[in-house]
Amino acid sequence: DSGVTQTPKHLITATGQRVTLRCSPRSGDLSVYWYQQSLDQGLQFLIQYYNGEERAKGNILERFSAQQFPDLHSELNLSSLELGDSALYFCASSYNSGTVNSYEQYFGPGTRLTVT
Amino acid sequence: QKEVEQDPGPLSVPEGAIVSLNCTYSNSAFQYFMWYRQYSRKGPELLMYTYSSGNKEDGRFTAQVDKSSKYISLFIRDSQPSDSATYLCAMSGAGKSTFGDGTTLTVKP
Repeated sequence: DSGVTQTPKHLITATGQRVTLRCSPRSGDLSVYWYQQSLDQGLQFLIQYYNGEERAKGNILERFSAQQFPDLHSELNLSSLELGDSALYFCASSYNSGTVNSYEQYFGPGTRLTVT
Repeated sequence: QKEVEQDPGPLSVPEGAIVSLNCTYSNSAFQYFMWYRQYSRKGPELLMYTYSSGNKEDGRFTAQVDKSSKYISLFIRDSQPSDSATYLCAMSGAGKSTFGDGTTLTVKP
């Protein structure tokens, strides 16, 4: 158990809908990362938050957005869903402070999204 | 061209074999190197982490980094069926992290 939790485990929804995925990082970790993994594809980095602020952006679609709350949990919002958005969505966390940067990321179990 | 290229596999070996998994990279800003193991599309699990050239050993696993050649490897000794999984290399630096596409390993009893 990595200490990172994600809800829900599975989500089935229709095209055009909007969903929210939730992530709670390991205790003490300030950074949260979101990744998408489609069938037979690698991990695609979407976005990183550090202590409530956006730190880095990857290949995140405009239909997707994220935020990190004061209690450090994060949510990934996916809207106007398309069939191609069906994938595993992983959240990871790492410890970063003003002087220490840890690049070791600890992953949650993922949310499996199916768009029909 | 991708910043990180990982040997695609799949790889199938008999139990007890030595396995070599490899990645190359092009971004000199990468200073931290990691290997993750992913079972059946579960969350990737951090196996090894290193930031210097040379070898780092942990049990049956050895991570090797050659920064001059921009090449990293993971060696698994005495491979077991339980090692069957997808292995992902990952590299970080200058505020950026990039993963390889993964190599799927099957260890046959």
